[in-house]
Amino acid sequence: SYELTQPPSVSVSPGQTASITCSGDKLRNKYIFWYQQKPGQSPVLVIYEDSKRPSGIPERFSGSNSGNTATLTISGTQAMDEADYYCQAWDSSTYVFGTGTKVTVL
Amino acid sequence: EVQLVESGGGLIQPGGSLKLSCAASGFSVNGNYMGWVRQAPGKGLEWVSVIYGGGTTYYADSVKGRFTISRDNSKNTLYLQMTSLRAEDTAVYYCARGQQTGYSGYYFDYWGQGTLVTVSS
Repeated sequence: SYELTQPPSVSVSPGQTASITCSGDKLRNKYIFWYQQKPGQSPVLVIYEDSKRPSGIPERFSGSNSGNTATLTISGTQAMDEADYYCQAWDSSTYVFGTGTKVTVL
Repeated sequence: EVQLVESGGGLIQPGGSLKLSCAASGFSVNGNYMGWVRQAPGKGLEWVSVIYGGGTTYYADSVKGRFTISRDNSKNTLYLQMTSLRAEDTAVYYCARGQQTGYSGYYFDYWGQGTLVTVSS
């Protein structure tokens, strides 16, 4: 079965840039989606089709997908961005979620 | 405004059955992709099942043969019938609206607040 691997945690200082990677076989051939989940809340879509932002998502969230790695970048990270982030792809009629990354804003 | 409201969770003994509901508003479940995603306590997201617009259904291997996804267009509601429940099925179950873009662009754009299912004796 297809797998997506993320680092367990990323730490960032307020105002700095946080980069969260998502690795998978031939990932560049798939669309990647990113979800943000704050404690006790439901997931929220923050990036779709590798790099597009849904309405209402701040411009500081951006995404890219190249080779076997997709990246979610948070520029000018704010305290409110502290959350778990999951990448997701679709493979053989199944939805595959990444292992998740906890972003801590120190 | 799109809203998804799950219900039906609770404490159930191993081997038991439970049916989850997801009431949708702001759009029609008929013709839309709809799915269930679960999250065990302290764990990550795990896709469970999806029903496509034409009615085709798919399941994760972990629930295949035990769970059934369905919808009632007249009630604009999505369901998940769960049988032969195991301790490892304990999780918050989220209902989500699916979208498709391109060949491999299947994802979920709106999520409900979730309902907790606890399987324990």
